[in-house]
Amino acid sequence: QKEVEQNSGPLSVPEGAIASLNCTYSDRGSQSFFWYRQYSGKSPELIMFIYSNGDKEDGRFTAQLNKASQYVSLLIRDSQPSDSATYLCAALRGSTLGRLYFGRGTQLTVWP
Amino acid sequence: ETGVTQSPTHLIKTRGQQVTLRCSSQSGHNTVSWYQQALGQGPQFIFQYYREEENGRGNFPPRFSGLQFPNYSSELNVNALELDDSALYLCASSFAGGLTEAFFGQGTRLTVV
Repeated sequence: QKEVEQNSGPLSVPEGAIASLNCTYSDRGSQSFFWYRQYSGKSPELIMFIYSNGDKEDGRFTAQLNKASQYVSLLIRDSQPSDSATYLCAALRGSTLGRLYFGRGTQLTVWP
Repeated sequence: ETGVTQSPTHLIKTRGQQVTLRCSSQSGHNTVSWYQQALGQGPQFIFQYYREEENGRGNFPPRFSGLQFPNYSSELNVNALELDDSALYLCASSFAGGLTEAFFGQGTRLTVV
């Protein structure tokens, strides 16, 4: 079982819709969770992180964490074509010097 | 822009050769981690450096080695290159003791032929 699992997609939504990206993790010792956006051929770009149960909102993005279910999600409201990218979920395990475990990413396409 | 810079951006090497990749961390960050990202996969942790010492290593053979310098910049060295080493190599900069948000450089695309 991989540390972090993501549905690789592709996920396709129309412009203006809500895109929902999901991630599960296997290690209950994971402490913080990160969502990165990666455009083709580029490096991952941090969108947001979450470490407490519940929701965290930042602009059009909302991260949700449920530690009991070992589930993390990212909602993108009012999706734009520029949001089309691969979204990587990562879990931080260990101390503050811990490593990130990444899922393989979900490819999102937002069509006009 | 994250303030993390990597060089070179692209590199082509022959199987069996050695390669050195470089990374300058973001100002104020004292920890550097290296990741390998194969096509269609998520980044895989290679190792991490903190205070010039290796602090954790992923499932990579010893021919992958690294260094961290007093200014927190870092190098990744790969000896005896294999075709499967072809990947995007990412350097991530973070601050130990903080929330450890890791910011990535633009990556080095290594092709082994």
